[in-house]
Amino acid sequence: QQQVKQSPQSLIVQKGGISIINCAYENTAFDYFPWYQQFPGKGPALLIAIRPDVSEKKEGRFTISFNKSAKQFSLHIMDSQPGDSATYFCAAGGQTSGSRLTFGEGTQLTVNP
Amino acid sequence: DGGITQSPKYLFRKEGQNVTLSCEQNLNHDAMYWYRQDPGQGLRLIYYSQIVNDFQKGDIAEGYSVSREKKESFPLTVTSAQKNPTAFYLCASSIGSGHYGYTFGSGTRLTVV
Repeated sequence: QQQVKQSPQSLIVQKGGISIINCAYENTAFDYFPWYQQFPGKGPALLIAIRPDVSEKKEGRFTISFNKSAKQFSLHIMDSQPGDSATYFCAAGGQTSGSRLTFGEGTQLTVNP
Repeated sequence: DGGITQSPKYLFRKEGQNVTLSCEQNLNHDAMYWYRQDPGQGLRLIYYSQIVNDFQKGDIAEGYSVSREKKESFPLTVTSAQKNPTAFYLCASSIGSGHYGYTFGSGTRLTVV
């Protein structure tokens, strides 16, 4: 019930294209869904997050789409740039897990110039 | 500037030795976490602490130990009982229960030689 499944494991996109990463969760008590971006040799950094009272949140070129009934959420990167090449992690948290986040397995994104 | 400091950045350990990884935060966060990152396996929780002088095992606590004597500090000891300690170790902190945004340190890469 605590798992978060992320796909794909790796993704290659051309510059200017749309990158889409998907996550699915099982625990209906989760109420916070962040995405983290990690560059090689660095710690992950919070990119964008959503709560289940909205179906979409946009910040610049990054958008989270959330489907509560399907228990799925996704990250869309519009106009992908080579500088977006990184590993992306989805995560989920909720009151029943205290302050803990459960992370997906990560997606390695490569944006070719 | 507030943040999390992990040290050292690189650490080499001989088999059979214990080593301690440092994690210090000046964000006034109550909760702190240790994650292990291996290629293709995402972030796996080792230990976490939601308050000073209290901590709980995560999903892969065997072979590790922690202490939380000060709010700012959450050191991780990798003991000789950890059979495969070579990995990238990440420390994180958050405000506490009900608030899920994590701030990560820049990591320590441990290699057994």
